[in-house]
Amino acid sequence: AQKITQTQPGMFVQEKEAVTLDCTYDTSDPSYGLFWYKQPSSGEMIFLIYQGSYDQQNATEGRYSLNFQKARKSANLVISASQLGDSAMYFCAMRGVNAGGTSYGKLTFGQGTILTVHP
Amino acid sequence: EAGVVQSPRYKIIEKKQPVAFWCNPISGHNTLYWYRQNLGQGPELLIRYENEEAVDDSQLPKDRFSAERLKGVDSTLKIQPAELGDSAVYLCASSIRANTYNEQFFGPGTRLTVL
Repeated sequence: AQKITQTQPGMFVQEKEAVTLDCTYDTSDPSYGLFWYKQPSSGEMIFLIYQGSYDQQNATEGRYSLNFQKARKSANLVISASQLGDSAMYFCAMRGVNAGGTSYGKLTFGQGTILTVHP
Repeated sequence: EAGVVQSPRYKIIEKKQPVAFWCNPISGHNTLYWYRQNLGQGPELLIRYENEEAVDDSQLPKDRFSAERLKGVDSTLKIQPAELGDSAVYLCASSIRANTYNEQFFGPGTRLTVL
């Protein structure tokens, strides 16, 4: 079974500051991928960043970076230089591969963290 | 490139009524997913299709929910009869394949309110 835990129900950050959103996961899958999605109040899920469990380097996409610590089973999202438009719900998710090498396909999501950026 | 299209965006019905949601995935995407997102929570998978075959429907309440993807392109999710607890956002997503690294693209969702 896979489990994602996001322990921060809400976070506040000042515009132009950096913020870290926490994510821990639990899985026995030999291989897996970790994703972060942004969900604004309009409702659509927007893909931000992906990290593979065997990737040697932490993923980066523009202002987003993923602080991947495999031994601690954490995959925290770092947003640098926060903007007002970053205010949204953020979800951490994972997708695994079983011992036979078959992907489960589905994403398992955490509970989400509401980020509010203050001017 | 057009994204995942869903309709309707909003639906309000009374309990025990039927309701249907439609999804058109991104062109060329073989894998289609239906998720349900309850208020304040992350989405949970209801069913996954590989082309026209339902390969994971373990979370679909089959007594009242049904889904189809007849030609391996667009899909319909139906609830009959709806219950108060079915109020949620129903999200459709698609990906090229269901590999671990393939990103899933989500539609805008259908917000269902059951009165």
